Amino acid sequence: QVQLQQSGPGLVKPSQTLSVTCAISGDSVSSTSVAWNWIRQSPSRGLEWLGRTYYRSKWYDDYAVSLKSRITVRADTSKNQFSLQLRSVTPEDTAMYFCARGRDGSNWFDYWGQGSLVTVSS
Amino acid sequence: DTQMTQSPSSLSASVGDRVTITCQASQDISRYVNWYQQKPGKAPKLLIYDGFDLEPGVPSRFIGGASGTDFTLTITSLQAEDIGTYYCQQFDNLPYTFGQGTKLEVK
Repeated sequence: QVQLQQSGPGLVKPSQTLSVTCAISGDSVSSTSVAWNWIRQSPSRGLEWLGRTYYRSKWYDDYAVSLKSRITVRADTSKNQFSLQLRSVTPEDTAMYFCARGRDGSNWFDYWGQGSLVTVSS
Repeated sequence: DTQMTQSPSSLSASVGDRVTITCQASQDISRYVNWYQQKPGKAPKLLIYDGFDLEPGVPSRFIGGASGTDFTLTITSLQAEDIGTYYCQQFDNLPYTFGQGTKLEVK
């Protein structure tokens, strides 16, 4: 059974960097048939896909264009986990952040983390 | 970005009713739609993937459909445990996008 366990601070100051980590059990971050995604949810934006990383002989990543200059999704094979970094945050980045496994090359999200509520406030 | 317009935004129905939720895509996305159910305080749960396929463990009363750029999730006989918010998601192109959600209440 795949499980995703998220961790990260709940409060981030404006202009700083938001970091959330997703630890994987029951699968490998280096699996060549899935991708590892970050999705956030807020009342104003609904569910919003942020980006993903995946391994197909080498590492790839894709990002939402609106965030591309501020976001990094990275895998850590030594810890079997992946992370989200979002730089220069503003209060508009306040949201529940979810990690999720994308099956069949990332097309559908079959396992999700429990969610991390991140508030951007001074 | 592909916009997914979901309707209705909320719905109240009785146990045993047939319920249909619709998503309209802003462009041709073939059948590349998934459906999720979310309960308060929880992550979304995958119900239907690739337009029509039922995720293992999901009751067979959940059925996905498609016609052109219109996609449907039908619950053939509503049960009390089906309360929650339902979302469609397209995977034809990046960025993956979701509908705004349909909040389902059981009378």
